[in-house]
Amino acid sequence: GAVVSQHPSWVICKSGTSVKIECRSLDFQATTMFWYRQFPKQSLMLMATSNEGSKATYEQGVEKDKFLINHASLTLSTLTVTSAHPEDSSFYICSAPLPRGYTFGSGTRLTVV
Amino acid sequence: SQQGEEDPQALSIQEGENATMNCSYKTSINNLQWYRQNSGRGLVHLILIRSNEREKHSGRLRVTLDTSKKSSSLLITASRAADTASYFCATGDGGATNKLIFGTGTLLAVQP
Repeated sequence: GAVVSQHPSWVICKSGTSVKIECRSLDFQATTMFWYRQFPKQSLMLMATSNEGSKATYEQGVEKDKFLINHASLTLSTLTVTSAHPEDSSFYICSAPLPRGYTFGSGTRLTVV
Repeated sequence: SQQGEEDPQALSIQEGENATMNCSYKTSINNLQWYRQNSGRGLVHLILIRSNEREKHSGRLRVTLDTSKKSSSLLITASRAADTASYFCATGDGGATNKLIFGTGTLLAVQP
């Protein structure tokens, strides 16, 4: 089946540094990737939609300069959290639409200290 | 943005009992899906129901969809302790990107 590999699965970083999260489609081409953020005991909130070869579309309230999304190839989409702060600590998960559904990465737990 | 509201927010039942979770959404949909998430982990796709379907079964799961009321329900029969998880409905708008928007979720605890 279509698999999205997400790395890293967890990361701890210092406040002010940047963290890059990668999602790779392993056996299919992902022209679109959705990025979600989930705070503890809350639901998944759609942050942005990345499209291969074009600019990402951000949801209202999401800072595009803080959450940099790149979708340079049909198999790789990345989310970079720039100048991370403790309030950015969250679970980030990517998802790619398929002809008959969606496939999800396993998620990245980011802790900013 | 949040599309769906789920209730209850939390549900605690005994093993063997049935669990029913409800989801209401706001806009027109192409399909509605239910997912399970164990604590701090990724999502597991449970079932998808299309807008022209009213009911769907998969093992111990039964999903209904009422597009006139913009609501769906997930029934888990004969629950097990291993069913303890958060359950989310999610709707796809069927648009150009068909983005998936999640509901608020129900935390189900099945007591052994």
